[in-house]
Amino acid sequence: DSGVTQTPKHLITATGQRVTLRCSPRSGDLSVYWYQQSLDQGLQFLIQYYNGEERAKGNILERFSAQQFPDLHSELNLSSLELGDSALYFCASSGSGAGQYNEQFFGPGTRLTVL
Amino acid sequence: GEDVEQSLFLSVREGDSSVINCTYTDSSSTYLYWYKQEPGAGLQLLTYIFSNMDMKQDQRLTVLLNKKDKHLSLRIADTQTGDSAIYFCAETPGYALNFGKGTSLLVTP
Repeated sequence: DSGVTQTPKHLITATGQRVTLRCSPRSGDLSVYWYQQSLDQGLQFLIQYYNGEERAKGNILERFSAQQFPDLHSELNLSSLELGDSALYFCASSGSGAGQYNEQFFGPGTRLTVL
Repeated sequence: GEDVEQSLFLSVREGDSSVINCTYTDSSSTYLYWYKQEPGAGLQLLTYIFSNMDMKQDQRLTVLLNKKDKHLSLRIADTQTGDSAIYFCAETPGYALNFGKGTSLLVTP
């Protein structure tokens, strides 16, 4: 158990809908990262928050947004969903925000299926 | 951006050594990581190597780093059926991890 929790575990929805994925980092970790894992694209970094502020952006679509709350949990919002958004979404947390040794602890993921 | 390259599949017999190779892209990565993903699970950090090292050994795991060729390898000694999983190498061009597509390791009895 990494100490990172994600809810829900599975989500099935229709095209055009909006969903929210939730992540609670390990106790004491200030950084939260979101990754998308799909068969064709592999594991792709979406976005990072550090202590409530956006720190880095990866291949995140404009239809997707995220935030980190004062209690450090994070939410990833996916809107106007398309079939191609079906994927496993991982949240990871780490203590530091910078490029030194920065072990990221991964949650179990949320599997999103868009029908 | 450029891709971190890994072979997609490796099959070995139980008890043999496994070697998983990776070619990374970012020469400024301070640390390089190996993660393991078991079916239906998240990613678990297996080991890492600091960029000024050539080799790191951690029990059954040996990591070799060739900075000139940007080549990273993971050797698993005495591979067991429980080692069957997908293995990802990752570089750190910035704050986030840039992963390869993963190598599926199948260990047969």
